[in-house]
Amino acid sequence: NAGVTQTPKFRILKIGQSMTLQCAQDMNHNYMYWYRQDPGMGLKLIYYSVGAGITDKGEVPNGYNVSRSTTEDFPLRLELAAPSQTSVYFCASSYLQTTNEKLFFGSGTQLSVL
Amino acid sequence: AQTVTQSQPEMSVQEAETVTLSCTYDTSESDYYLFWYKQPPSRQMILVIRQEAYKQQNATENRFSVNFQKAAKSFSLKISDSQLGDAAMYFCAYRSARNNAGNMLTFGGGTRLMVKP
Repeated sequence: NAGVTQTPKFRILKIGQSMTLQCAQDMNHNYMYWYRQDPGMGLKLIYYSVGAGITDKGEVPNGYNVSRSTTEDFPLRLELAAPSQTSVYFCASSYLQTTNEKLFFGSGTQLSVL
Repeated sequence: AQTVTQSQPEMSVQEAETVTLSCTYDTSESDYYLFWYKQPPSRQMILVIRQEAYKQQNATENRFSVNFQKAAKSFSLKISDSQLGDAAMYFCAYRSARNNAGNMLTFGGGTRLMVKP
């Protein structure tokens, strides 16, 4: 059972370039999330999805786009990379919104925009 | 909006000793969940312990326990018999119990715990 898989693990972008961070989960979870973690800081929610075809903005959505065409995949798109987007990006998933639901995290993508 | 504050950027503890990490939060809700996550250098986020706000009893998981003070909006983590493997960043997190909240977590800024041999 792979859990939550993120690719790539590391990436360097030039200002203005675009890229897609991939996230896939094999646990049939309906909830998926994208967080970013700036150096020495906590995680901030970028976007989330409660199921295929449904996405919504989190705390810091500007500069990002997401789609959720399948239950398994939740890619994060950066259209015009900026230095402020240098961060570690975490994808996470959970099954149901129950009282004791556990959030499963991927291992992160470290992105540098130079 | 909810906020979570961890006032200790770094803490240090001697191996086998006990350490307490502080967390306060601000919310107008009465029903919610609180969590402590551990993030080792591998960057993986590992759930350490969770607490339901409607439960008065403090959660415990082996060497980890919490002191949940709902009126004071305080949620501290106590690590007993500290081990070298406990060295990591620790994040306190809040989640609303509202059905339309999307299971989203709000994180504090983290506390880096160092364990001295």
